[in-house]
Amino acid sequence: DGGITQSPKYLFRKEGQNVTLSCEQNLNHDAMYWYRQDPGQGLRLIYYSQIVNDFQKGDIAEGYSVSREKKESFPLTVTSAQKNPTAFYLCASSIDLWFPGFGNQPQHFGDGTRLSIL
Amino acid sequence: KNQVEQSPQSLIILEGKNCTLQCNYTVSPFSNLRWYKQDTGRGPVSLTIMTFSENTKSNGRYTATLDADTKQSSLHITASQLSDSASYICVVSPGSSNTGKLIFGQGTTLQVKP
Repeated sequence: DGGITQSPKYLFRKEGQNVTLSCEQNLNHDAMYWYRQDPGQGLRLIYYSQIVNDFQKGDIAEGYSVSREKKESFPLTVTSAQKNPTAFYLCASSIDLWFPGFGNQPQHFGDGTRLSIL
Repeated sequence: KNQVEQSPQSLIILEGKNCTLQCNYTVSPFSNLRWYKQDTGRGPVSLTIMTFSENTKSNGRYTATLDADTKQSSLHITASQLSDSASYICVVSPGSSNTGKLIFGQGTTLQVKP
């Protein structure tokens, strides 16, 4: 079955440590996204990528970094500069970034990684 | 400011009963509105997507309605089941955006009791 795989499901970060969250998709989607979900809040966009080797900052990119070396993979690194990293992180993909005619395509989500501080 | 507000924040109903969740948005211009279901500890799953020209769309026991004039949407769940217990998220796509950026509501948590 096609889908998005996020790993690990749970992750713990020590003070001053960088951690990397994995996201792999086999849907042949061009666009990929990273969101952060906090209790009682809507999802917030961290980074997104339309094609390989290209990515853009979302609304809350500070303290995070990404790469897009392969179409299937979009890993997210939570750096030590992110002072409040505890959250549920969701990766998503869509056929393409929105443009007229494809606006009805949903974003498909992975099952998330829960990051906590040790 | 583009915002999506959902109500109620949480809801408890008995199995077999119907319920309606509300979504008000201030996004303008507007492209489409989506409803997602998110089970605890899982990623959201798309239920419906409606463009500004659509008034209603169904997916099994889920029916979404849209009034683009009043900027309101609702999600009606018929004959609820225990498996409907989840968070339901309303998401709006701005019409001026060509980046796939979406605006998410905070969600309504539904609990269906036997």
